[in-house]
Amino acid sequence: LAKTTQPISMDSYEGQEVNITCSHNNIATNDYITWYQQFPSQGPRFIIQGYKTKVTNEVASLFIPADRKSSTLSLPRVSLSDTAVYYCLVGNTGRRALTFGSGTRLQVQP
Amino acid sequence: DGGITQSPKYLFRKEGQNVTLSCEQNLNHDAMYWYRQDPGQGLRLIYYSQIVNDFQKGDIAEGYSVSREKKESFPLTVTSAQKNPTAFYLCASSTGALYGYTFGSGTRLTVV
Repeated sequence: LAKTTQPISMDSYEGQEVNITCSHNNIATNDYITWYQQFPSQGPRFIIQGYKTKVTNEVASLFIPADRKSSTLSLPRVSLSDTAVYYCLVGNTGRRALTFGSGTRLQVQP
Repeated sequence: DGGITQSPKYLFRKEGQNVTLSCEQNLNHDAMYWYRQDPGQGLRLIYYSQIVNDFQKGDIAEGYSVSREKKESFPLTVTSAQKNPTAFYLCASSTGALYGYTFGSGTRLTVV
């Protein structure tokens, strides 16, 4: 199983771009990289998923280098409402269930 | 609207009592899961079920029990054997894909 490592916490200010990097050195060939967001007292929700290169949606971008041993979640122009915990997960549909680490706690200041 | 409903939102339990947390989904998902979250921590898997009448233990199943008699329902019982049950409990259902997890709003259990 691919283990992921991400920073425990990050601070930012409104309007800045935030990049959260996740390391997953043991990623398997058929693994995808998926990010979830969790607000206090709520369940996590899906943000973005990718396999290689770059993926962008209306919320975020995901950058994955060619060796796929790491990935970076990019949140453009964050606002106070982006204050949350962000989880990086690596796996495929063959996995029994998602395993969530401790995530990265992002605090956005005014 | 399709979704996943957990009840109650807050639950208080006396030591030595069993309590049951409800989880219902109308998303037609085959798989359902229970996670536990302690303050400042990530989610830990308690039990999961991929089909009706079948379920498997997760990483911290001791002191918990589940049933899956219907596709829509996956109740979790916190037994008196669970020594430290105070936590936030999250139920989820899934299409099986990594992006396909839908979580409920959680039940916060406190032992008094």
